[in-house]
Amino acid sequence: DQQVKQNSPSLSVQEGRISILNCDYTNSMFDYFLWYKKYPAEGPTFLISISSIKDKNEDGRFTVFLNKSAKHLSLHIVPSQPGDSAVYFCAARRNAGNMLTFGGGTRLMVKP
Amino acid sequence: DTAVSQTPKYLVTQMGNDKSIKCEQNLGHDTMYWYKQDSKKFLKIMFSYNNKELIINETVPNRFSPKSPDKAHLNLHINSLELGDSAVYFCASSQDRYGEAFFGQGTRLTVV
Repeated sequence: DQQVKQNSPSLSVQEGRISILNCDYTNSMFDYFLWYKKYPAEGPTFLISISSIKDKNEDGRFTVFLNKSAKHLSLHIVPSQPGDSAVYFCAARRNAGNMLTFGGGTRLMVKP
Repeated sequence: DTAVSQTPKYLVTQMGNDKSIKCEQNLGHDTMYWYKQDSKKFLKIMFSYNNKELIINETVPNRFSPKSPDKAHLNLHINSLELGDSAVYFCASSQDRYGEAFFGQGTRLTVV
C-alpha cells in the first residue's frame, strides 16, 4: 500500500519557467514532509522540508506548499535551470519515529 | 570529503553467496539507516540504528543482518543471496532520529 504517491513519473519544463512537482499522501499521521533530489549514480540529496504546522516553506528558488486537508504537497522551482534536471522524491514522516516513506519519484527535465 | 560513503559501489554475485556492504559516515551523526531501491525505483527503509542500537527493522528477510560496530558505521550483511535481492542499497545518516537524512551514493547489487 503506497502511502506516498507521485503520480507524474516525468515532467519536462523550459529553462526559466516554473516547475511544479506534486505529491499526495494517504496517512493522516504524517506530520513532516521532505523533498529529495537525486542525480544518476548518486544518493538522494535533501532539498527542502515542511512541518505540518506550516503551509509554505521557501528556500531560494524552491518553495514547498502543503495542503493538509487535501493531503497534498507540491514543490515549486522558479526559475527552473538545466542543472535542476534530476529525479525528485517526496518523503513523509510520522513524529513517532524517523522512518521516511518515499514516493516513487518524478523525473524532471529542464530544457535549455 | 565524502559525508556518507558506501563500499562497494557495484557488486555482482551469484545466487547463494554471502556478501557485505559497508557504510561509514563522518558527520558525527547518531542515527544511521539502510534503504533499498527496488526495480520500480521505490525507496524503502530496511533498518535504522541509533547510537549502535536497532530502532527500526522493517519486514526484511532475516537473511539481511545489519551490524553497527560503532555509531559511525552500519554494515549490511546478506546471506544466501537471491535473484530478488538485486537492487540499489542506500546507506544514510541523520543527526538524530528526527533530522534530515544524508544519503550515500548507493551500492548496486546484481545477483545472477
